[in-house]
Amino acid sequence: KQEVTQIPAALSVPEGENLVLNCSFTDSAIYNLQWFRQDPGKGLTSLLLIQSSQREQTSGRLNASLDKSSGRSTLYIAASQPGDSATYLCAVTDRGSTLGRLYFGRGTQLTVWP
Amino acid sequence: DAGVIQSPRHEVTEMGQEVTLRCKPISGHNSLFWYRQTMMRGLELLIYFNNNVPIDDSGMPEDRFSAKMPNASFSTLKIQPSEPRDSAVYFCASTDAGFQPQHFGDGTRLSIL
Repeated sequence: KQEVTQIPAALSVPEGENLVLNCSFTDSAIYNLQWFRQDPGKGLTSLLLIQSSQREQTSGRLNASLDKSSGRSTLYIAASQPGDSATYLCAVTDRGSTLGRLYFGRGTQLTVWP
Repeated sequence: DAGVIQSPRHEVTEMGQEVTLRCKPISGHNSLFWYRQTMMRGLELLIYFNNNVPIDDSGMPEDRFSAKMPNASFSTLKIQPSEPRDSAVYFCASTDAGFQPQHFGDGTRLSIL
């Protein structure tokens, strides 16, 4: 069974810092990897999706990389802002999965203070 | 688009009562997923449907849990009888193709007393 781990569990930084969130997974036979954002009391919002054949994806100040062979992904947030405060979750879809079943990490709770 | 709509947003009830959670997926999406989120276990997939047919219910914790999808625009997750350990946030998500990003509802926060 696929297991996904995220480090750190929590992170508190001043505004303006560049951040790296880490995600690792145990089975490298994945179809894709996604990063989600979850705000308190809300559902998950998909930020970036990286196919297994890709190395990275970028959206604005966010950049996600994927090293499938080592079972790792990082989410890089440039010039962090208080509005980035949320929980960030990583999820993978196995190649053997039926219809895109996701396996989630426990998330990194990010606080960016002014 | 209205997004995935879940109801109720909050539910508080006494143990032993029947609980029904509802989900309306995004129009045109043919895959629907039910998740449960707790502090102890994180996000867990309970069951998912494709074209209204249950594909994998191996995540359903026990027989007290059941899910239905009578049509493409509606699904229910029922717990009968409910127990305090069922307290969690339950999310519904949908997608228009199995390996595309899933769109999540805002969840139902369930408290069983």
